[in-house]
Amino acid sequence: AQSVTQPDIHITVSEGASLELRCNYSYGATPYLFWYVQSPGQGLQLLLKYFSGDTLVQGIKGFEAEFKRSQSSFNLRKPSVHWSDAAEYFCAVGVTGGYQKVTFGTGTKLQVIP
Amino acid sequence: SAVISQKPSRDICQRGTSLTIQCQVDSQVTMMFWYRQQPGQSLTLIATANQGSEATYESGFVIDKFPISRPNLTFSTLTVSNMSPEDSSIYLCSVTPGINQPQHFGDGTRLSIL
Repeated sequence: AQSVTQPDIHITVSEGASLELRCNYSYGATPYLFWYVQSPGQGLQLLLKYFSGDTLVQGIKGFEAEFKRSQSSFNLRKPSVHWSDAAEYFCAVGVTGGYQKVTFGTGTKLQVIP
Repeated sequence: SAVISQKPSRDICQRGTSLTIQCQVDSQVTMMFWYRQQPGQSLTLIATANQGSEATYESGFVIDKFPISRPNLTFSTLTVSNMSPEDSSIYLCSVTPGINQPQHFGDGTRLSIL
């Protein structure tokens, strides 16, 4: 069975600083990987996804993530954080093929300070 | 992407009662998913609902407690039965539009049990 680890429960960054949120996965085959964001009082919004191909994927809101098979990682990055990026971020892994039943990580809560 | 509407958005219920949560999608989808997000926690899949068949429940979740209906390709309901304070959570509906497609989420139902 697949699993996801997000080692950072809480991260604080200054507005304008760069951001990297870590995600490690465990899956026996090529994974499908996702990053979602949950703002307070909201559902989850898909930021980006990796299915195959280019290992650097671009998402919405200026986010990108890089798939590194050798490290079983799919870290999320943003070069310059905005106050509106304060939210909780979830990494998720899906099984290849079929309808995407995914497993979510425990989430990383991002605080942005002025 | 699909637009997903959940009702109610929040509710406060008495112990021992039941609540039915509705999930409406603006397009036909094959698979719908129901998740629970306990306070400060990640998402846990309750069940997968495929139109025309019984829902498939994950370990730890049973039909008597969380009956699900899926009468057509755009609608599903989740009932939380005989509620206790431990059922206080956010319940989220999601859909996947096709094979190897990511899930998209509604805004969730915030449920508090007194």
